[in-house]
Amino acid sequence: QQPVQSPQAVILREGEDAVINCSSSKALYSVHWYRQKHGEAPVFLMILLKGGEQKGHEKISASFNEKKQQSSLYLTASQLSYSGTYFCGTEKVSNAGNMLTFGGGTRLMVKP
Amino acid sequence: GAGVSQSPRYKVAKRGQDVALRCDPISGHVSLFWYQQALGQGPEFLTYFQNEAQLDKSGLPSDRFFAERPEGSVSTLKIQRTQQEDSAVYLCASSPRQGELTGELFFGEGSRLTVL
Repeated sequence: QQPVQSPQAVILREGEDAVINCSSSKALYSVHWYRQKHGEAPVFLMILLKGGEQKGHEKISASFNEKKQQSSLYLTASQLSYSGTYFCGTEKVSNAGNMLTFGGGTRLMVKP
Repeated sequence: GAGVSQSPRYKVAKRGQDVALRCDPISGHVSLFWYQQALGQGPEFLTYFQNEAQLDKSGLPSDRFFAERPEGSVSTLKIQRTQQEDSAVYLCASSPRQGELTGELFFGEGSRLTVL
């Protein structure tokens, strides 16, 4: 089942903060965050693993609440380059191999 | 290039035509995924390969969709008798891992299919 993201869209001024939420009706194994700019490939931001381990490449933080089956992505002091659509992906575990189920996305626009 | 390459980038097909979309994953990547992304939506899982084996095709929307990866590297997604609802961006992603996804998926830029 597809995770639910909120808000669907947000507009910020450069330097402002934003929080994007992702919730699932199923127990979360891990949560992945990606950003996609228009016409481009989704780019990996961060993985949050069960047990609290966090792996990421950028200075963007996130939380993972296993009990609430939620994750939040925190964008602080936003830059123009943060504009894009953010997707959370929840890992579906199967014997055949795990895959990601993505939410509908949150469109973020950062204005000067 | 070192990334995932997809071709064609854009494809316009008349309803009823067959199309083939190609994905060149990063060399050595074991896992390969196909996703369908409708306009303004998140990517939806279609199918998954581990080397040449198609381990999961539960996301393929109909029997008009077929995917293969015969030598465990390049993959082709074929859509027969295209319909307007097939219009979407088709994303390919690869990973050096199999089983648990403890690292990132590397996505291609996608093939945008428009069915008239």
